[in-house]
Formats: sequence, C-alpha cells, structure tokens
Amino acid sequence: GESVGLHLPTLSVQEGDNSIINCAYSNSASDYFIWYKQESGKGPQFIIDIRSNMDKRQGQRVTVLLNKTVKHLSLQIAATQPGDSAVYFCAEKNAGGYQKVTFGIGTKLQVIP
Amino acid sequence: DAGVTQSPTHLIKTRGQHVTLRCSPISGHKSVSWYQQVLGQGPQFIFQYYEKEERGRGNFPDRFSARQFPNYSSELNVNALLLGDSALYLCASSPRDRVTNTGELFFGEGSRLTVL
Repeated sequence: GESVGLHLPTLSVQEGDNSIINCAYSNSASDYFIWYKQESGKGPQFIIDIRSNMDKRQGQRVTVLLNKTVKHLSLQIAATQPGDSAVYFCAEKNAGGYQKVTFGIGTKLQVIP
Repeated sequence: DAGVTQSPTHLIKTRGQHVTLRCSPISGHKSVSWYQQVLGQGPQFIFQYYEKEERGRGNFPDRFSARQFPNYSSELNVNALLLGDSALYLCASSPRDRVTNTGELFFGEGSRLTVL
C-alpha cells in the first residue's frame, strides 16, 4: 500500500528542454547550498554547490542560483536528458564544524523522451 | 576505484530486535557519517565519526549508536527497533574532518531496513 511521504513534487520535462528545480531554504546562516541527485536504489550524488556569498554558479549543463533575500535556491539543467531522471534534493551545510548536511524536500524530475 | 560500500543491502527485522549496519569508506577517507532516509523524504544526519571519535550527532534517540574502527570502517547499531526505524540508512565518507568542499562527501547506496 501507499506510504505517507511518497508524494514528492514532480516536474515533467520534455527531453532536450531546460529544467528548473526550485527550493526554499530556512537557515540563513548556512555557508553552503548544495544540490544532490538521487537515482532509484542509489545514494545521493553531489551535483553542484554554491557558497552563501555568491548568487550564481555554473557547472557542466547545470547552473545554481541563490537568492538570499527570499531564501530561494534553484537548479537549472540545460538540454535535459533521460539520464537526468531522478529525485533532486537541495541541501545546506555550515563551513567548518562537523559534516552535517541538512537536506530539503526532494523534487522528482521525469524526462519525457 | 571502489566507492563507499555498505552491507547488508537489504534486511528485515522485527520490532524489539537489534541491527548492525556496516560501512567501508573510500580508500584514504578518514571520516564517516551516517544518515537515515525515510521513504519519500531527504536524508537526516545521525552521526559523524573521524579518527574513531564522534564528531557530531543528530537528533536521534540513544537507541542509535555507532563506532569507527582503526581501518576507518564504521558500524551503526540500532537497539529495540521500532516500526518507524524502517528506512534507507546511508553512509557517507570524506577525506577530512571538516569538509570545506562539499563535493568531497560521497554517499554509499545504503542499507534498506524494514522493521515488521
């Protein structure tokens, strides 16, 4: 039967289109904001991070935007591919200290071929 | 190169039992962290160990304990299992105690625990 918590927000995107996944964070004191990708049956995989003193960072096919005024983080994936289908988590971490990463609510990305 | 390895991959226990989960970090990594991921939610931090010492603890009851061995592998122990302990337990390793590059934290594929 169905379990509580299975209803992840879902984003369906046509292959080749750009995807934008959004996240609202709560801790203004976090030093790093991170995006993870989790495929079915696997652990989270680091995609990209951004320091709190930046507002944009680009990687290979991915861009992360940070808006500290409204506590909003987004992940943009260019030319979305079927292999991008996964659950994406935003996360926060403080510099130094111990390695506690605080994960947000995931978003399921479905790529339509 | 071998990534973070965890065992067992799946296990079923009944309420009140005890479970031990194991983690081998990436070669050269000295820090291990444990996370609990309930179905449909993000992982939650349980513990971090570095050089066999506990460095951090999340908001989990004392039924949860862990240790790290001289070879940097780690065990997570959960006593008096409850139905709510059913989850994917993830281990993450990193080369250092304090990660300044968040990309240095690598997760294993987890141990899926079902408590009946």
